[in-house]
Amino acid sequence: AAGVIQSPRHLIKEKRETATLKCYPIPRHDTVYWYQQGPGQDPQFLISFYEKMQSDKGSIPDRFSAQQFSDYHSELNMSSLELGDSALYFCASSFLMGSREQYFGPGTRLTVT
Amino acid sequence: AQKVTQAQTEISVVEKEDVTLDCVYETRDTTYYLFWYKQPPSGELVFLIRRNSFDEQNEISGRYSWNFQKSTSSFNFTITASQVVDSAVYFCAQLSGSARQLTFGSGTQLTVLP
Repeated sequence: AAGVIQSPRHLIKEKRETATLKCYPIPRHDTVYWYQQGPGQDPQFLISFYEKMQSDKGSIPDRFSAQQFSDYHSELNMSSLELGDSALYFCASSFLMGSREQYFGPGTRLTVT
Repeated sequence: AQKVTQAQTEISVVEKEDVTLDCVYETRDTTYYLFWYKQPPSGELVFLIRRNSFDEQNEISGRYSWNFQKSTSSFNFTITASQVVDSAVYFCAQLSGSARQLTFGSGTQLTVLP
């Protein structure tokens, strides 16, 4: 079965640079979520999109923005990167009106040096 | 507000032992969903189970079983006859009411020794 696809899997950036993470949800899933997991931490919700519209916002810094495109893929844009942004970034997708399980992608490991 | 507590930070067992991972949740909503995810060393989050607040039936899937008790707000996870491949961080998570984002516990690092 198709899973959530994230790219790139690993990314190394320097402070103050920008990064773009991509997520391709499971086909027919209508909701995409972004989570950030710092080292030794639990995943923290950043933002979500339902049918291409932003639906919920969590602890997402103002330096970050995201959007969902017409083909349902989503991108998380991160600017003015800081050392503390080093983390595992997960995308998850679900069918909101269904069983509500969120299926996670493999994650993008971002390292800021 | 939602909160998930996993009091056990680390557990170490010897292969073939049974182990129970505890999860206590807090919510004011009458409708909510509880989840367990496994995060192996490779880093991905693997969905294990979802329970609805209105379904307190316990569930067994192979060596895995889950005990959902609303009276104690607990959703514990037991692995029977543990194996080395079970070594991972296990997260309990909650989705309450109209919220769409998961609230995770802090995770339990399970190490199964050969």
